[in-house]
Formats: sequence, C-alpha cells, structure tokens
Amino acid sequence: AQSVTQPDIHITVSEGASLELRCNYSYGATPYLFWYVQSPGQGLQLLLKYFSGDTLVQGIKGFEAEFKRSQSSFNLRKPSVHWSDAAEYFCAVVLRSNDYKLSFGAGTTVTVRA
Amino acid sequence: DGGITQSPKYLFRKEGQNVTLSCEQNLNHDAMYWYRQDPGQGLRLIYYSQIVNDFQKGDIAEGYSVSREKKESFPLTVTSAQKNPTAFYLCASSNPGQNYGYTFGSGTRLTVV
Repeated sequence: AQSVTQPDIHITVSEGASLELRCNYSYGATPYLFWYVQSPGQGLQLLLKYFSGDTLVQGIKGFEAEFKRSQSSFNLRKPSVHWSDAAEYFCAVVLRSNDYKLSFGAGTTVTVRA
Repeated sequence: DGGITQSPKYLFRKEGQNVTLSCEQNLNHDAMYWYRQDPGQGLRLIYYSQIVNDFQKGDIAEGYSVSREKKESFPLTVTSAQKNPTAFYLCASSNPGQNYGYTFGSGTRLTVV
C-alpha cells in the first residue's frame, strides 16, 4: 500500500542538541517530498521540499533534509535545537499521478528540554 | 497579504446538528482541500476541489459535504451522519503543478457537546 511513515511518535531532545526526524515512503514512483511544522492549535508551515536535483535540501529555521532514493527516505535534521522548535512535524508527499494531493505521515511530536 | 482564512476558530455542535466551516482564500489558487486532524493520525483528506463547481471525495468523506461555487471559497459541512466529528479541521489551497506549494489556514476546532 502507498504510505508515508514517520516511525517516531515522540522525540525529546535537549536544547542545543541535534535533532533527526525520520520519514519513509512507499510509492511506485518517487514522490515530491515535504516537511511541515505545526505549533499547537495552528496551521502548517512549510519547512522545506524536494522535487529533484541535489539530495540535500536546505529549509527555513535552520532545518535541512536528505533524500535517499535507495532507502526511500527523507529525514529531517537540525544541528542545534532551540526551545522554539518544540512542535509537531509532518512528512508529506505529492504524486502527480494522484492529482497532486498532499498525503501525510502521522507526525512526530518534538519536546525540547532545557 | 494573501492567505487562507478559516472561521470560526472554535465551534461547538450539538448531537444531530449540521455545522458549516468556512474557508476563504485570496491567493487565486485553483485547488482547495479539507483535512481532518486527530491525535496520532496525521492529516486525512476529506474532500478536494481542483476547479470551481467540481470536487472529489478524499479518504474520509463519509458524513461530510462541500461546495465550490466560487474560486475563493470552499465551505465544509459536517453533517449529523458524521459519527465522530470532534477534531481539528484544516483547509488548504494550491495551484497543482506549480511548485506544489500548499498554503494552510489556521484551522477550526470542532467539538460535539
């Protein structure tokens, strides 16, 4: 079945430590890939996206993601986490063959401890 | 500034009532979407519309209805047939095929009382 998987439901990280959020997809073709962030009770903000080309993508707020075709993965990273990074993070995909609809993983909640 | 406006931010519904959630965009986007968000389940697509006067069911359309009479507006009605309507609802818009950029509203939290 076609799906987007975020294996980690909840991650706790210390302020200043590095963060990596995992995302795997299962589709016949390589989809367009996105990471979104959501603060409590708010809408979603786009962090970064990958369509083609350089497999290391830079986004806003100091985030980056690496596309690995062999592993069907698009993991999100940040070298040094700030308390304001506490939020829920969603990996999402778009397939041209699926009417360009955005399909989401279940999300990973990030808690930042002082 | 262009964006998507969802209203109201909070909505309470009694059992057996229909309620309508508003979504308006001034981005001139062709496509609009409604997602439902429940804890631990991510966002699930309810309905989407790629052009005016046309819309398609998403993954969880049962108990919901929509209309797309204007490009700017895509209201969602939660009917009494929706057995578990308490959730956070997000509206989004995009121009499919153009950078695939989705813009999201700030959401409506619906609670059944």
